[in-house]
Amino acid sequence: EPEVTQTPSHQVTQMGQEVILRCVPISNHLYFYWYRQILGQKVEFLVSFYNNEISEKSEIFDDQFSVERPDGSNFTLKIRSTKLEDSAMYFCASSPGQGQNQPQHFGDGTRLSIL
Amino acid sequence: AQSVAQPEDQVNVAEGNPLTVKCTYSVSGNPYLFWYVQYPNRGLQFLLKYITGDNLVKGSYGFEAEFNKSQTSFHLKKPSALVSDSALYFCAVRDRAGGGADGLTFGKGTHLIIQP
Repeated sequence: EPEVTQTPSHQVTQMGQEVILRCVPISNHLYFYWYRQILGQKVEFLVSFYNNEISEKSEIFDDQFSVERPDGSNFTLKIRSTKLEDSAMYFCASSPGQGQNQPQHFGDGTRLSIL
Repeated sequence: AQSVAQPEDQVNVAEGNPLTVKCTYSVSGNPYLFWYVQYPNRGLQFLLKYITGDNLVKGSYGFEAEFNKSQTSFHLKKPSALVSDSALYFCAVRDRAGGGADGLTFGKGTHLIIQP
């Protein structure tokens, strides 16, 4: 069964540095998402992406964040200047294009640790 | 705004007994409802969804959930629990009025512990 893959599994970065989290969604999916999960807390929606542009974003997704689909297969989340509170698990997800009742398929996540 | 409540941080069940993990939701319109399971150091795995039709939805690994519109609930159930069902379970909702790119709103999760 096709899967969403995320790299790296764990990223350690100094505060203030830029970080790029990478995702390869399922190949025939059209909608892409990033979520985060701070340790011990619930999964929170960050942003969705469709047709090469952001469709929806939460208030968490401020100017420090950006997303890109650079080559038709990868989907990246960039944090420009990391803060301690950015430490979390970041999950990428994708879903088919048949409508919003389709389940989102999640990757195993990238654990981001900001020092 | 939409929201999901999972009132129990942890549910303990003996192996072989039925289990229920509770979820209530709030949306402005009609909901799409989902259950996901998370094992340690893994992403969320889709279990089942309610879209329309029969209020009792069957999903993976013998799980089922019952949609109750009057109580705005979508409780997850299984007739006979297995030790391997021990994991973190998330209920999620999205508003039908939204578009295909809408993010899911998750509950805070319930730890399900099945005791041998």
